[in-house]
Amino acid sequence: DAGITQSPRHKVTETGTPVTLRCHQTENHRYMYWYRQDPGHGLRLIHYSYGVKDTDKGEVSDGYSVSRSKTEDFLLTLESATSSQTSVYFCAISESMGLAGGHSSYNEQFFGPGTRLTVL
Amino acid sequence: AQTVTQSQPEMSVQEAETVTLSCTYDTSENNYYLFWYKQPPSRQMILVIRQEAYKQQNATENRFSVNFQKAAKSFSLKISDSQLGDTAMYFCAFALLTGNQFYFGTGTSLTVIP
Repeated sequence: DAGITQSPRHKVTETGTPVTLRCHQTENHRYMYWYRQDPGHGLRLIHYSYGVKDTDKGEVSDGYSVSRSKTEDFLLTLESATSSQTSVYFCAISESMGLAGGHSSYNEQFFGPGTRLTVL
Repeated sequence: AQTVTQSQPEMSVQEAETVTLSCTYDTSENNYYLFWYKQPPSRQMILVIRQEAYKQQNATENRFSVNFQKAAKSFSLKISDSQLGDTAMYFCAFALLTGNQFYFGTGTSLTVIP
């Protein structure tokens, strides 16, 4: 299994408080992602990173910020948590996609174990 | 924009039988990957099978196979000889070669009945 850990695994917090979730990888993969999973919506991309200090927004980025100061760590911050941010959060990593010998070369995304966040 | 649609929220199958999960996607690109991920009750996301769009041959992994119809933008998963351990949520996913984002469907919850 890919070396991806998430912390904390469970968290209960109150509306209006800041929350930071951590994703740590030991695979030295370039790309890191944060998703949220909600019933009826599948996985939706929040933010992703394509290198140290290089990040971009995903589909549902409002209310979230990220930082990546080291290859191995990708932090997701909820500046002021709301009840709509109650969800299961997954971190994922992948290596570069590219072309080799005229055909694509790609590794799939590997996922962390998830963090269940409840905002009361 | 890329979209992935799984039109079957829930399915069930008898143990040892065969079941097919549907997935359609929409893209104007020609080079991409398609994936099926499994999420058992443990919540861990596990890659089941992947298909490169440039390959005409359908991918197969043991009891899991896909029916990839590029022109129809369809990517269904067939599970043969279903086992109790196959009970899980299954997600279809799509990734472009350009850019590094994945797009997931809403999932199909599969229950294998003993």
